[in-house]
Amino acid sequence: DTEVTQTPKHLVMGMTNKKSLKCEQHMGHRAMYWYKQKAKKPPELMFVYSYEKLSINESVPSRFSPECPNSSLLNLHLHALQPEDSALYLCASSHFVGLANTGELFFGEGSRLTVL
Amino acid sequence: AQKITQTQPGMFVQEKEAVTLDCTYDTSDPSYGLFWYKQPSSGEMIFLIYQGSYDQQNATEGRYSLNFQKARKSANLVISASQLGDSAMYFCAMREAYNTDKLIFGTGTRLQVFP
Repeated sequence: DTEVTQTPKHLVMGMTNKKSLKCEQHMGHRAMYWYKQKAKKPPELMFVYSYEKLSINESVPSRFSPECPNSSLLNLHLHALQPEDSALYLCASSHFVGLANTGELFFGEGSRLTVL
Repeated sequence: AQKITQTQPGMFVQEKEAVTLDCTYDTSDPSYGLFWYKQPSSGEMIFLIYQGSYDQQNATEGRYSLNFQKARKSANLVISASQLGDSAMYFCAMREAYNTDKLIFGTGTRLQVFP
C-alpha cells in the first residue's frame, strides 16, 4: 500500500464547479508535489512545496490553486476547469528538498479527474 | 530539447525471460540522478531503482538492474525473470543537481509479459 494517500480517487465535475483534491503523507517528508498525467503521456510537474512553501509553479493556469496547510497535507483547489484538464492528478512526496534531494519520490495512486 | 528519451513505445516478453527497456538522457549537469518507475493500471508510480551520476557501479534491486553507460548517456533497465505482474508502463526519469526538485520523465514503455 502506498504511504501517500490521495482523495478522491475519482472526481467528475462541471466547468462551473469548485472542487478540491487532497493528498496526505505521514512519512515526515518535507517536499510535496503535484503532477498532472494525461492519458498515454508521462507525468508533468505542476507544483512543488518545500517546507510548506511553494517553491516551483510550472506556469500552471490560475484555475488550479495549490495549498499546503501543514507538512503532511497538500491540496489542489479546482475552479472553472476546462474539459482538457481531465487527467490523472498525482501527488508525491520526498524526504529532502533542494540540493539534498537525491532520493526517490513517493507517489500516491492519483485522483482521476473528468471535467464535463 | 527532449531530456529523457524512451524509444520503445511497447515491448513484449515471455514469462521468466529477461527484458531490457531503453533510456537515453541529455544533460550538461555533471551531477544528476536517474530513476525508473513502474506504473500499473491502478495509476500509482512505483519507484524501482536509482543511479547517481557519480556511482561507479550499476545499481541493482532484486530482479531490476540498471545498465548505466555514462559516456553514451544511457540508463537501460533490465528486468530478469519476468513475471506476469511486471506488465505495466515503465518510465525513466532524471533529476539534475541545479534543479533537484524537478523530476523529468520520459514518454514511457509499455511492457507486456505473456505466459
